[in-house]
Amino acid sequence: EADIYQTPRYLVIGTGKKITLECSQTMGHDKMYWYQQDPGMELHLIHYSYGVNSTEKGDLSSESTVSRIRTEHFPLTLESARPSHTSQYLCASSEYLTGSGRTDTQYFGPGTRLTVL
Amino acid sequence: KQEVTQIPAALSVPEGENLVLNCSFTDSAIYNLQWFRQDPGKGLTSLLLIQSSQREQTSGRLNASLDKSSGRSTLYIAASQPGDSATYLCAVVGSRSKLIFGTGTRLQVFP
Repeated sequence: EADIYQTPRYLVIGTGKKITLECSQTMGHDKMYWYQQDPGMELHLIHYSYGVNSTEKGDLSSESTVSRIRTEHFPLTLESARPSHTSQYLCASSEYLTGSGRTDTQYFGPGTRLTVL
Repeated sequence: KQEVTQIPAALSVPEGENLVLNCSFTDSAIYNLQWFRQDPGKGLTSLLLIQSSQREQTSGRLNASLDKSSGRSTLYIAASQPGDSATYLCAVVGSRSKLIFGTGTRLQVFP
């Protein structure tokens, strides 16, 4: 079974604070992803990584940044949180490259529900 | 074990044609199904989301339908354009926080 962890699960902070959402996986997957999702809405990819030192922006513009210094760790940072950043953030990882012509399973963490006041 | 298959694997059509991309899945116990597009070397762009209780969703020239009982979804693209050229992926969300992607359909629309 997949082992992918996110902390914190819930975060309520004030405007202007710097925050880092943690994501770790123990499956040795090279591919990792950050999605943003509002209740009942689509998943939108905001960042992805093909491996260490590789990061790319997804289809939804985000003011957050990511880093990939270690295979198992893919943290997301907001330098100055605003109420518009209130959402759920989901981290995922996969073994294969999505769109490579074979069925790909992305394993998701439990998510971080962020509220910025 | 959920398996998601897309047919055709590749499609090349002249501009202006109406297209149907097919997605089938083996386990009908899904929460929702989402269609994405992926441009070469880039990440995913979300197109449409259909909840398990819905039959179809529309966005512009795109229409996606879902028949959960038969394990099928179709993405209809009206009046195709060269800018529609990309790989189209369907993905189902099932239990245990898995998003399972299909094999993709590589679409090329030529002028």
